[in-house]
Amino acid sequence: EAQVTQNPRYLITVTGKKLTVTCSQNMNHEYMSWYRQDPGLGLRQIYYSMNVEVTDKGDVPEGYKVSRKEKRNFPLILESPSPNQTSLYFCASSLTKYDGANYGYTFGSGTRLTVV
Amino acid sequence: QKEVEQNSGPLSVPEGAIASLNCTYSDRGSQSFFWYRQYSGKSPELIMFIYSNGDKEDGRFTAQLNKASQYVSLLIRDSQPSDSATYLCAVNITGNRDDKIIFGKGTRLHILP
Repeated sequence: EAQVTQNPRYLITVTGKKLTVTCSQNMNHEYMSWYRQDPGLGLRQIYYSMNVEVTDKGDVPEGYKVSRKEKRNFPLILESPSPNQTSLYFCASSLTKYDGANYGYTFGSGTRLTVV
Repeated sequence: QKEVEQNSGPLSVPEGAIASLNCTYSDRGSQSFFWYRQYSGKSPELIMFIYSNGDKEDGRFTAQLNKASQYVSLLIRDSQPSDSATYLCAVNITGNRDDKIIFGKGTRLHILP
Protein backbone atom coordinates (compact mmCIF):
# COMPACT_ATOMS: atom_id res chain seq x y z
CA GLU A 1 0.00 0.00 0.00
CA ALA A 2 1.30 3.44 -0.98
CA GLN A 3 1.74 5.45 2.17
CA VAL A 4 3.66 7.89 4.32
CA THR A 5 4.48 6.45 7.73
CA GLN A 6 5.14 8.70 10.69
CA ASN A 7 6.23 7.64 14.15
CA PRO A 8 5.35 8.06 16.90
CA ARG A 9 1.64 8.99 16.71
CA TYR A 10 1.69 10.55 20.16
CA LEU A 11 4.61 11.90 22.18
CA ILE A 12 4.85 13.71 25.49
CA THR A 13 8.29 15.01 26.37
CA VAL A 14 9.99 17.52 28.64
CA THR A 15 11.56 20.82 27.69
CA GLY A 16 15.07 20.44 26.34
CA LYS A 17 15.06 16.69 25.71
CA LYS A 18 16.07 16.03 22.12
CA LEU A 19 13.61 14.05 20.03
CA THR A 20 13.21 12.75 16.49
CA VAL A 21 10.00 12.12 14.60
CA THR A 22 10.51 9.68 11.77
CA CYS A 23 8.88 9.83 8.35
CA SER A 24 9.15 7.28 5.56
CA GLN A 25 7.40 7.00 2.18
CA ASN A 26 7.25 4.03 -0.20
CA MET A 27 6.14 5.86 -3.36
CA ASN A 28 9.56 6.98 -4.65
CA HIS A 29 8.49 10.62 -4.26
CA GLU A 30 11.11 13.31 -4.72
CA TYR A 31 9.47 16.03 -2.63
CA MET A 32 8.97 15.65 1.12
CA SER A 33 7.92 18.17 3.71
CA TRP A 34 7.05 18.72 7.35
CA TYR A 35 4.14 20.84 8.58
CA ARG A 36 2.75 21.78 11.92
CA GLN A 37 -0.94 22.42 12.42
CA ASP A 38 -2.19 24.68 15.17
CA PRO A 39 -5.74 25.92 15.87
CA GLY A 40 -6.37 29.22 14.14
CA LEU A 41 -3.03 29.10 12.32
CA GLY A 42 -3.63 26.24 9.91
CA LEU A 43 -0.87 24.15 8.34
CA ARG A 44 2.51 25.86 8.29
CA GLN A 45 5.50 24.48 6.44
CA ILE A 46 8.57 23.82 8.60
CA TYR A 47 11.07 22.36 6.12
CA TYR A 48 10.94 20.74 2.73
CA SER A 49 13.22 18.67 0.54
CA MET A 50 13.11 18.55 -3.24
CA ASN A 51 15.42 15.52 -3.38
CA VAL A 52 18.17 13.65 -1.55
CA GLU A 53 20.63 15.98 0.20
CA VAL A 54 18.53 19.03 -0.77
CA THR A 55 16.59 20.70 2.05
CA ASP A 56 15.17 24.19 2.46
CA LYS A 57 13.43 26.19 5.13
CA GLY A 58 9.70 26.66 5.08
CA ASP A 59 7.88 29.43 6.89
CA VAL A 60 8.49 28.28 10.49
CA PRO A 61 11.89 26.50 10.63
CA GLU A 62 13.16 27.86 13.96
CA GLY A 63 13.88 25.13 16.50
CA TYR A 64 13.77 22.29 13.98
CA LYS A 65 16.28 20.34 11.90
CA VAL A 66 15.83 17.86 9.09
CA SER A 67 17.98 15.60 6.97
CA ARG A 68 17.43 13.75 3.70
CA LYS A 69 20.10 11.11 3.37
CA GLU A 70 17.85 8.66 1.51
CA LYS A 71 14.94 9.34 -0.80
CA ARG A 72 12.39 7.52 1.35
CA ASN A 73 13.21 9.02 4.78
CA PHE A 74 12.87 12.56 6.09
CA PRO A 75 13.18 12.75 9.89
CA LEU A 76 12.28 15.86 11.90
CA ILE A 77 14.61 16.66 14.78
CA LEU A 78 13.89 18.91 17.73
CA GLU A 79 17.25 19.48 19.42
CA SER A 80 15.85 21.30 22.44
CA PRO A 81 12.05 21.20 22.42
CA SER A 82 10.09 24.00 24.06
CA PRO A 83 6.40 24.23 25.03
CA ASN A 84 5.65 26.45 22.00
CA GLN A 85 6.49 23.46 19.82
CA THR A 86 3.49 21.59 21.19
CA SER A 87 1.51 20.89 18.05
CA LEU A 88 0.19 18.36 15.56
CA TYR A 89 2.90 17.51 13.03
CA PHE A 90 2.40 16.09 9.56
CA CYS A 91 4.92 14.66 7.16
CA ALA A 92 3.95 14.68 3.49
CA SER A 93 5.43 13.58 0.19
CA SER A 94 4.64 14.26 -3.44
CA LEU A 95 5.67 13.44 -6.96
CA THR A 96 6.99 16.32 -9.04
CA LYS A 97 7.04 16.63 -12.80
CA TYR A 98 10.17 17.35 -14.82
CA ASP A 99 9.17 21.04 -15.00
CA GLY A 100 8.74 21.24 -11.21
CA ALA A 101 4.95 21.11 -11.14
CA ASN A 102 3.70 19.28 -8.10
CA TYR A 103 1.09 16.51 -8.14
CA GLY A 104 -0.10 17.08 -4.58
CA TYR A 105 0.70 15.53 -1.24
CA THR A 106 0.13 12.24 0.43
CA PHE A 107 0.14 12.94 4.16
CA GLY A 108 1.21 10.79 7.04
CA SER A 109 -1.20 10.14 9.91
CA GLY A 110 0.28 12.85 12.10
CA THR A 111 2.24 13.09 15.33
CA ARG A 112 0.71 14.86 18.27
CA LEU A 113 3.56 16.30 20.30
CA THR A 114 3.23 17.78 23.77
CA VAL A 115 6.22 19.50 25.37
CA VAL A 116 5.87 20.16 29.10
CA GLN B 1 4.66 37.23 2.98
CA LYS B 2 2.93 35.09 0.40
CA GLU B 3 -0.57 34.17 1.49
CA VAL B 4 -3.51 31.93 0.76
CA GLU B 5 -6.86 33.21 2.02
CA GLN B 6 -10.04 31.27 2.69
CA ASN B 7 -13.25 32.09 4.48
CA SER B 8 -13.17 30.08 7.72
CA GLY B 9 -16.91 29.34 7.70
CA PRO B 10 -18.74 27.37 8.78
CA LEU B 11 -20.47 27.12 5.45
CA SER B 12 -23.80 25.33 5.80
CA VAL B 13 -25.31 23.74 2.69
CA PRO B 14 -28.44 21.56 2.41
CA GLU B 15 -27.93 17.97 1.34
CA GLY B 16 -28.14 17.63 -2.43
CA ALA B 17 -27.22 21.27 -3.11
CA ILE B 18 -23.99 22.66 -4.56
CA ALA B 19 -21.30 23.72 -2.10
CA SER B 20 -19.00 26.47 -3.34
CA LEU B 21 -15.64 27.02 -1.63
CA ASN B 22 -13.35 29.90 -2.53
CA CYS B 23 -9.67 30.72 -2.16
CA THR B 24 -7.47 33.66 -3.16
CA TYR B 25 -3.69 33.75 -3.27
CA SER B 26 -1.17 36.56 -3.31
CA ASP B 27 1.72 35.23 -5.42
CA ARG B 28 1.26 35.71 -9.18
CA GLY B 29 4.04 33.18 -9.85
CA SER B 30 2.08 30.29 -8.36
CA GLN B 31 1.77 27.35 -10.74
CA SER B 32 -0.01 24.48 -8.99
CA PHE B 33 -3.18 24.64 -6.94
CA PHE B 34 -4.71 22.02 -4.69
CA TRP B 35 -7.80 21.24 -2.67
CA TYR B 36 -7.58 18.94 0.35
CA ARG B 37 -10.29 17.62 2.62
CA GLN B 38 -9.58 17.10 6.31
CA TYR B 39 -11.92 15.33 8.68
CA SER B 40 -11.61 16.16 12.35
CA GLY B 41 -8.64 14.35 13.90
CA LYS B 42 -7.43 13.02 10.54
CA SER B 43 -4.75 13.98 8.08
CA PRO B 44 -5.58 15.99 4.95
CA GLU B 45 -6.35 14.05 1.78
CA LEU B 46 -5.96 15.37 -1.75
CA ILE B 47 -9.21 15.93 -3.67
CA MET B 48 -8.15 17.91 -6.72
CA PHE B 49 -5.16 19.63 -8.27
CA ILE B 50 -5.26 22.12 -11.14
CA TYR B 51 -2.56 23.88 -13.14
CA SER B 52 -4.35 25.62 -16.01
CA ASN B 53 -6.98 28.33 -16.13
CA GLY B 54 -10.51 27.02 -16.42
CA ASP B 55 -12.41 24.11 -14.94
CA LYS B 56 -11.34 20.61 -14.02
CA GLU B 57 -13.98 18.06 -13.12
CA ASP B 58 -13.64 14.80 -11.18
CA GLY B 59 -16.88 13.12 -10.20
CA ARG B 60 -18.92 15.47 -8.01
CA PHE B 61 -15.98 17.87 -7.65
CA THR B 62 -15.04 20.75 -9.96
CA ALA B 63 -12.00 22.95 -9.43
CA GLN B 64 -11.95 26.35 -11.11
CA LEU B 65 -8.81 28.44 -11.60
CA ASN B 66 -8.54 32.07 -12.66
CA LYS B 67 -4.90 33.16 -12.56
CA ALA B 68 -5.65 36.73 -13.65
CA SER B 69 -7.88 37.19 -10.61
CA GLN B 70 -5.65 34.96 -8.41
CA TYR B 71 -8.66 32.92 -7.48
CA VAL B 72 -9.33 29.19 -7.18
CA SER B 73 -12.60 27.56 -6.19
CA LEU B 74 -14.04 24.13 -5.49
CA LEU B 75 -17.60 23.15 -6.30
CA ILE B 76 -19.15 20.07 -4.75
CA ARG B 77 -22.31 18.93 -6.52
CA ASP B 78 -25.03 16.84 -4.86
CA SER B 79 -23.54 17.50 -1.42
CA GLN B 80 -23.66 14.59 1.01
CA PRO B 81 -23.39 14.55 4.82
CA SER B 82 -20.06 12.74 4.37
CA ASP B 83 -18.75 15.89 2.66
CA SER B 84 -18.86 17.69 6.02
CA ALA B 85 -15.21 18.47 6.73
CA THR B 86 -12.64 21.26 6.57
CA TYR B 87 -11.46 22.04 3.05
CA LEU B 88 -7.93 23.33 2.62
CA CYS B 89 -6.72 25.29 -0.37
CA ALA B 90 -2.98 25.02 -1.12
CA VAL B 91 -0.70 26.79 -3.57
CA ASN B 92 2.72 25.76 -4.86
CA ILE B 93 5.00 28.79 -4.90
CA THR B 94 8.18 28.42 -6.94
CA GLY B 95 11.03 30.67 -8.02
CA ASN B 96 14.34 31.97 -6.63
CA ARG B 97 15.14 28.46 -5.35
CA ASP B 98 11.83 28.37 -3.47
CA ASP B 99 9.46 25.47 -3.92
CA LYS B 100 7.05 25.91 -1.05
CA ILE B 101 3.48 24.72 -0.70
CA ILE B 102 1.41 27.10 1.36
CA PHE B 103 -2.00 26.28 2.81
CA GLY B 104 -4.96 28.45 3.62
CA LYS B 105 -6.48 28.06 7.07
CA GLY B 106 -9.40 26.10 5.69
CA THR B 107 -13.16 26.44 5.34
CA ARG B 108 -15.40 24.31 7.52
CA LEU B 109 -18.25 22.85 5.49
CA HIS B 110 -21.38 21.47 7.12
CA ILE B 111 -23.90 19.59 5.00
CA LEU B 112 -27.38 19.75 6.51
CA PRO B 113 -29.34 16.45 6.21
